[in-house]
Amino acid sequence: SQQGEEDPQALSIQEGENATMNCSYKTSINNLQWYRQNSGRGLVHLILIRSNEREKHSGRLRVTLDTSKKSSSLLITASRAADTASYFCATRGANSKLTFGKGITLSVRP
Amino acid sequence: DSGVTQTPKHLITATGQRVTLRCSPRSGDLSVYWYQQSLDQGLQFLIQYYNGEERAKGNILERFSAQQFPDLHSELNLSSLELGDSALYFCASSAGLAPDTQYFGPGTRLTVL
Repeated sequence: SQQGEEDPQALSIQEGENATMNCSYKTSINNLQWYRQNSGRGLVHLILIRSNEREKHSGRLRVTLDTSKKSSSLLITASRAADTASYFCATRGANSKLTFGKGITLSVRP
Repeated sequence: DSGVTQTPKHLITATGQRVTLRCSPRSGDLSVYWYQQSLDQGLQFLIQYYNGEERAKGNILERFSAQQFPDLHSELNLSSLELGDSALYFCASSAGLAPDTQYFGPGTRLTVL
């Protein structure tokens, strides 16, 4: 079963707009990670936030984590057509296993 | 390019057959993970090997098996294939046993007819 559940399932925005994607999970975590997957290709690690962190930035990416609500959000600012992809949140508990959500399909219109 | 290689890229086979998927991790990485991605199940963790030993098991069927060789490359063996085994199979690698980042290969698309 999926640990992370992303929301919305699909998102379509105009280039230049911000994209916000949410992830909720069920059990306690060591860290939460976001990955991007271009159509039919391998996943690429974007950003990681540890359970004792609340916010992290990397370039145009901002991720927040609320462990009390068991939720995270990924914000992509000033989106570009090249950001069109599927985005997955993944949680890691005490063991080495990463559990992925079903993903969010982001379409950025030029 | 993540540095993880997988072969073959595409595989078409018939039900009941057996196939082997191969993965070479990034140079220096000791952990190899296998995942299955399908439309209905999403991305499912199958199994992890660390330095030749099995370390974690996920939703791997008994018909599937894997191993990691002394040179650290890994193979995933799928036998008695069924239509439902059609999926993308990804290999990922990481430096340590419980890493923060996994580096994914490009995947093998398996089609069972």
